[in-house]
Amino acid sequence: DTEVTQTPKHLVMGMTNKKSLKCEQHMGHRAMYWYKQKAKKPPELMFVYSYEKLSINESVPSRFSPECPNSSLLNLHLHALQPEDSALYLCASSQDEARLASTDTQYFGPGTRLTVL
Amino acid sequence: GQQVMQIPQYQHVQEGEDFTTYCNSSTTLSNIQWYKQRPGGHPVFLIQLVKSGEVKKQKRLTFQFGEAKKNSSLHITATQTTDVGTYFCAGARGNTPLVFGKGTRLSVIA
Repeated sequence: DTEVTQTPKHLVMGMTNKKSLKCEQHMGHRAMYWYKQKAKKPPELMFVYSYEKLSINESVPSRFSPECPNSSLLNLHLHALQPEDSALYLCASSQDEARLASTDTQYFGPGTRLTVL
Repeated sequence: GQQVMQIPQYQHVQEGEDFTTYCNSSTTLSNIQWYKQRPGGHPVFLIQLVKSGEVKKQKRLTFQFGEAKKNSSLHITATQTTDVGTYFCAGARGNTPLVFGKGTRLSVIA
């Protein structure tokens, strides 16, 4: 199984809503990532979890709250988002045998397309 | 911080023509990875280059890593409509996360 799954595929939410994005992988990978991708732009790293611990937070606003309940699951909790947060949110995973070795291949999920009204 | 520049931003080619995208880093990289993202899709890993001067081929795709490990290129021979998408390079140093280039969007006219 070389798949990263993400739910939901699409999400529309108001600025006062609370919602969560979910990501799952069963490849035994120990690093998991959240990226934000705006149209016609590259993926922009938000968070990295290594061995279920948050290791990188790229100065992401606190209205985005990541959670890694176990080695297969990664969540992104959303609260009080702004319209400019509308984007494709991509989850990725990698083996991370050497603790965030940059030589790890990242496997991306299909993404959640988020629209904030 | 580390930057990875990628050119061109867009490329329109006639089917059967060749295509090349270039990536340049401001610093020496430990490796460079290439990803392809189809329209409406997600990035898919193509290849990783680690050694100075490395050249790797995948059918019609040729990937090169420069001698100084600061630049890389992806060349597609005789493009097909299935090659359409955005090609991203992503570079890294040591144990820092990958830094993606801005991507080159390839369109192929049949």
